[in-house]
Amino acid sequence: KNEVEQSPQNLTAQEGEFITINCSYSVGISALHWLQQHPGGGIVSLFMLSSGKKKHGRLIATINIQEKHSSLHITASHPRDSAVYICAVQALKTSYDKVIFGPGTSLSVIP
Amino acid sequence: DAGVIQSPRHEVTEMGQEVTLRCKPISGHNSLFWYRQTMMRGLELLIYFNNNVPIDDSGMPEDRFSAKMPNASFSTLKIQPSEPRDSAVYFCASSPGGPRETQYFGPGTRLLVL
Repeated sequence: KNEVEQSPQNLTAQEGEFITINCSYSVGISALHWLQQHPGGGIVSLFMLSSGKKKHGRLIATINIQEKHSSLHITASHPRDSAVYICAVQALKTSYDKVIFGPGTSLSVIP
Repeated sequence: DAGVIQSPRHEVTEMGQEVTLRCKPISGHNSLFWYRQTMMRGLELLIYFNNNVPIDDSGMPEDRFSAKMPNASFSTLKIQPSEPRDSAVYFCASSPGGPRETQYFGPGTRLLVL
């Protein structure tokens, strides 16, 4: 079993829909990151959170430490949101918090 | 700031050749990470430097891979000899203060080993 899992693996949505991507993990963590990778390949960090909720524009990220679960929400989705969204955790391992990546969720927003 | 700079952006080489990937982190950042991304395995950490010192190289696949950070503004990842299974996108990222802070990714180097 992977230490970081995401669902769904692939997601197609109509423009304007509300989108939720889920991340669950099985290790103790100090922080969780949501990354966005566009078709061109570049990776951008969207959020880093260790508790509660963060919001940036139409994006909202939440985390429940007790349940070891995080969600990324996109409101009023747009075709430019089409990308791969990657959940990554800072795992409490060894001498430092090693990053472990989830497999990614591929999102396609159709006009 | 120019962001994290990687070179080359694309590299095509033949099996057995030496490959050197280069990275310039954001000025003032003291942590540097090398990652590899493949379709099969996704993103994987290869090596993490803090203040130019390798902290975790457990992700380096084997002796064919080596990484150096001679100063705060430059790092290299070398593969010698290269093999077709090394074909991947290699990302360099830097952060201001360590793994617990936001990492800024470079554009990646697409490596194809024939």
